[in-house]
Amino acid sequence: DVKVTQSSRYLVKRTGEKVFLECVQDMDHENMFWYRQDPGLGLRLIYFSYDVKMKEKGDIPEGYSVSREKKERFSLILESASTNQTSMYLCASRLRGTQPQHFGDGTRLSIL
Amino acid sequence: DQQVKQNSPSLSVQEGRISILNCDYTNSMFDYFLWYKKYPAEGPTFLISISSIKDKNEDGRFTVFLNKSAKHLSLHIVPSQPGDSAVYFCAAWDKGQLTFGSGTQLTVLP
Repeated sequence: DVKVTQSSRYLVKRTGEKVFLECVQDMDHENMFWYRQDPGLGLRLIYFSYDVKMKEKGDIPEGYSVSREKKERFSLILESASTNQTSMYLCASRLRGTQPQHFGDGTRLSIL
Repeated sequence: DQQVKQNSPSLSVQEGRISILNCDYTNSMFDYFLWYKKYPAEGPTFLISISSIKDKNEDGRFTVFLNKSAKHLSLHIVPSQPGDSAVYFCAAWDKGQLTFGSGTQLTVLP
């Protein structure tokens, strides 16, 4: 069974801090994704990666960057955290193509 | 502008009855559709999918219907069970990306 693990379930940071959210998958999936979930807005794609060292912007990349140095790990970086980045962050991976995405349990991030 | 819309934020259904969750989309390039279920404090889990070349796909108690001319899909759950209480997201596929709707909270009453 696919396992997508996000490093923290809950995280509290201060405005202006650099924040790292880590995601690891154990099924050798090629594609990985970062979403944020906000009430009434569903899941919105921040960044995705088709393969190691590759990254593509999603619908809302502003204020974020990503890193994929190894196939199993995809990191989301908030360069300078702001209060409007308080949200639930979800990582997902997929083998390739139209295979369903498998999600981690999410990180609830609060920026004070 | 949301390309995938779930206009009902919530739905309550009696146990044993049918639950119907609806989803509308605007992008005619979407060619694959999925439904995900999400419990609190967990990530979404894949439920069922349908290709645009089909109009129905069934998996146990879950059936997804696609009406391309109306740009509408629906998820039917029969019979509904209390364990089905969750948020349901529809999602549509285009050019390697999934676009999600805002979700519908389903509550199945015992």
